Amino acid sequence: DIVLTQSPALAVSLGQRATISCRASQSVSTSSYNLMHWYQQKPGEQPKLLIYDASNLASGIPVRFSGSGSGTDFTLTINPVQADDIATYYCQQSRELPLTFGSGTKLEIK
Amino acid sequence: EVQLVESGGGLVQPGRSLKLSCAASGFTFSNYYMAWVRQAPKKGLEWVATISTSGSRTYYPDSVKGRFTISRDNAKSSLYLQMNSLKSEDTATYYCARHKLPGYNLMDAWGQGASVTVSS
Repeated sequence: DIVLTQSPALAVSLGQRATISCRASQSVSTSSYNLMHWYQQKPGEQPKLLIYDASNLASGIPVRFSGSGSGTDFTLTINPVQADDIATYYCQQSRELPLTFGSGTKLEIK
Repeated sequence: EVQLVESGGGLVQPGRSLKLSCAASGFTFSNYYMAWVRQAPKKGLEWVATISTSGSRTYYPDSVKGRFTISRDNAKSSLYLQMNSLKSEDTATYYCARHKLPGYNLMDAWGQGASVTVSS
């Protein structure tokens, strides 16, 4: 199975940039696609798709969210961070089954 | 508006069975792969099962293979998860989710979840 590693928490100030990383135990990229996706989960709510294929913004997601990366290293950036962004962020790979998620990074306000 | 509404959760004893349902609306259900994803209390997300548009193909991780069965009724726009031989580690909120595109293994719509507690 592909293991995705995320830092447990990140504290940033409102209006600043947040950079959340996800590292895969093996490449999740093909010749055409980077098969890493990002979800936001607010407390008591279901997950929401933010970014797919590493860098594509999902429908209705604000442009302050962006994604980058390839191979084994991926990043979700939120700039600027707003109070509404307090949540846990999960990466997920679809390179192979079983589909796996990272353990999540909890974004906190400094 | 896409809506996924789970039902059927509850308290069940270890070794017993439970069946979850998910009612879909707001999109053409039969055109989409569907999935179940679970989240144990205070834990992360775990993919549980995926089913193809016709229901002819199903996929599971080893942790539930042979115990859980995903199915669908396209005429009723409904998804199901039959869970047998339940264990305490199956305690979780179970989310019904839509795959973005057939064969595209990411989920672009999620239900609010159904809580399952396995305990004696």
